[in-house]
Amino acid sequence: DTGVSQDPRHKITKRGQNVTFRCDPISEHNRLYWYRQTLGQGPEFLTYFQNEAQLEKSRLLSDRFSAERPKGSFSTLEIQRTEQGDSAMYLCASSSQTLNTEAFFGQGTRLTVV
Amino acid sequence: AQSVAQPEDQVNVAEGNPLTVKCTYSVSGNPYLFWYVQYPNRGLQFLLKYITGDNLVKGSYGFEAEFNKSQTSFHLKKPSALVSDSALYFCAVRDGGNAGNMLTFGGGTRLMVKP
Repeated sequence: DTGVSQDPRHKITKRGQNVTFRCDPISEHNRLYWYRQTLGQGPEFLTYFQNEAQLEKSRLLSDRFSAERPKGSFSTLEIQRTEQGDSAMYLCASSSQTLNTEAFFGQGTRLTVV
Repeated sequence: AQSVAQPEDQVNVAEGNPLTVKCTYSVSGNPYLFWYVQYPNRGLQFLLKYITGDNLVKGSYGFEAEFNKSQTSFHLKKPSALVSDSALYFCAVRDGGNAGNMLTFGGGTRLMVKP
């Protein structure tokens, strides 16, 4: 499968714990995005990377959230001191600047904070 | 700032009938418009996009959408609905002048196609 891959698919954690999600984009895509989707809502933009540089961050991204893409390939999204309000589906997407493609989405990581 | 409105939470249609899912947008620059579909517990699948050119865009699975600049709309259509089209549909916009490619999504419309 050469699509966007996210791991894990599901994560249940206790409030206050830290969690980390991984995203592997389509290999030739240099742009990578993180979105958050809560039940019954559309996805909301969190952050965007072009290669290894984090170029844009939403105001939704509190200081408990951090994202990295150290080598311009896979990315990680870490949430520290999780809160119940962090429960959501976290979606990763990638696109190609050169080919000017649309964004292709992974299947998401569903986070439940108990 | 950019925004998308999908005025209908749910659209019900009988199998074989035409369907329309509505979308209006607001963006300061040139609109790049997209439709995505989401099946239960799945990510978003791309259906079609409008960047420039012909206002009628054809996409996957027989879907099409019409860009109307004066009405700032990008309604999704299909001539004959299938039960398997039942899913959650999202319209999205980005500013063509925004190098970041950030998409703004509508709240989604659930399409229910009944046999």
